[in-house]
Amino acid sequence: EIVLTQSPGTLSLSPGERATLSCRASQSVTSTNLAWYQQKPGQSPRLIIYGASTRAAGIPDRFSGSGSGTDFILIISRLEPEDFAVYYCQLFSSPSMYTFGQGTKLEIK
Amino acid sequence: QVQLQESGPGLVKPSETLSLTCAVSGDSISSRAWWSWVRQPPGRGLEWIGQIFQSGSTDYYPALKSRVTISLDRSKNQFSLQLKSVTAADTAVYYCTKNGYFSLAYWGQGTPVTVSS
Repeated sequence: EIVLTQSPGTLSLSPGERATLSCRASQSVTSTNLAWYQQKPGQSPRLIIYGASTRAAGIPDRFSGSGSGTDFILIISRLEPEDFAVYYCQLFSSPSMYTFGQGTKLEIK
Repeated sequence: QVQLQESGPGLVKPSETLSLTCAVSGDSISSRAWWSWVRQPPGRGLEWIGQIFQSGSTDYYPALKSRVTISLDRSKNQFSLQLKSVTAADTAVYYCTKNGYFSLAYWGQGTPVTVSS
């Protein structure tokens, strides 16, 4: 089973700043199978990026994803108050299963 | 826009079977899509449980495979989760989803399940 490790565990930033979240896979993966989710307290997760770099419907363009091989990043270019949440990366891998990273909590500084 | 709604008992006794249903609206359970269950223990991260295709084909998370069954009910446009022999470690919020492109595109609001006597 491929393990996803997210860093940092907690990221403290101010609105207007740039956030960079990392997701590292324990072995090289296909970038098309990498996604990112946002989860706010008491809410369901929301898909924000799939295929490592494609924004889901309705996701603002301040969110961007990139990466390949074992290293992937999610960038939020200018933080808005509503962006503070927990972010999870997710991989679809053989044999047909989904795994998640442990999450990065993005908190207001 | 597809909507998903989980339902089922909020309390299950240890060693019994957890049974949940996901009602789908705005889409057909028989469309060419995969449908998944995911859970989240209190204060922890997300764990995928398994998925089912419109044909009835299933995939399960290996660590849970021996205890999980996911099934479709086309007449009611819903799909279900059964998890046998539950313990306190199965206490979680359970979500149903419609899969997208190697991702989980649409989520229900989640239903909390506590395993306790």
